[in-house]
Amino acid sequence: KNEVEQSPQNLTAQEGEFITINCSYSVGISALHWLQQHPGGGIVSLFMLSSGKKKHGRLIATINIQEKHSSLHITASHPRDSAVYICAVSTGNQFYFGTGTSLTVIP
Amino acid sequence: NAGVTQTPKFQVLKTGQSMTLQCAQDMNHNSMYWYRQDPGMGLRLIYYSASEGTTDKGEVPNGYNVSRLNKREFSLRLESAAPSQTSVYFCASSPTGMYTEAFFGQGTRLTVV
Repeated sequence: KNEVEQSPQNLTAQEGEFITINCSYSVGISALHWLQQHPGGGIVSLFMLSSGKKKHGRLIATINIQEKHSSLHITASHPRDSAVYICAVSTGNQFYFGTGTSLTVIP
Repeated sequence: NAGVTQTPKFQVLKTGQSMTLQCAQDMNHNSMYWYRQDPGMGLRLIYYSASEGTTDKGEVPNGYNVSRLNKREFSLRLESAAPSQTSVYFCASSPTGMYTEAFFGQGTRLTVV
């Protein structure tokens, strides 16, 4: 069972392109999280949101609670954005994680 | 600004050996977690501690034990390592349960041969 599904699994983009990563979930949630994992392993929290939209620099995260869907957008992508992006939801006393989207941005 | 510190970063064990992964956070968080990350799978919860003195099993607790030594420290012990425990282990903490942002350590890459 996968409470959190992400798409695509892998994504290659040219520098400057607009990127969208999608996340769908099947459980009631308290919040949805977008995480970034760079090669070498460390995981960093990008966003936590429970409604609407958040923006941080070139990153935008949106969530539609009714449709149980979230998107992470990266505008003007850059090679340093290359990483694995992980969607996670928190519900009750658990986090559930997607398997991640591996993004490669080519100069 | 250490955040969540895990040690060691890398470890190779022989089957049957034991070891303890250490985790400490300096953010005064109540909740701490241990996850494992395997290729093609999302992070899976091994154990968590909602507060000092309490621990609970997660999705994949078999073969592991934990100790919440104090509010700062949450250790994960493998009593008799098996090749199936080869994985990357992450410790995380959050202020109060799952309703808040989680902060992750840098991970421990464990290989059991």
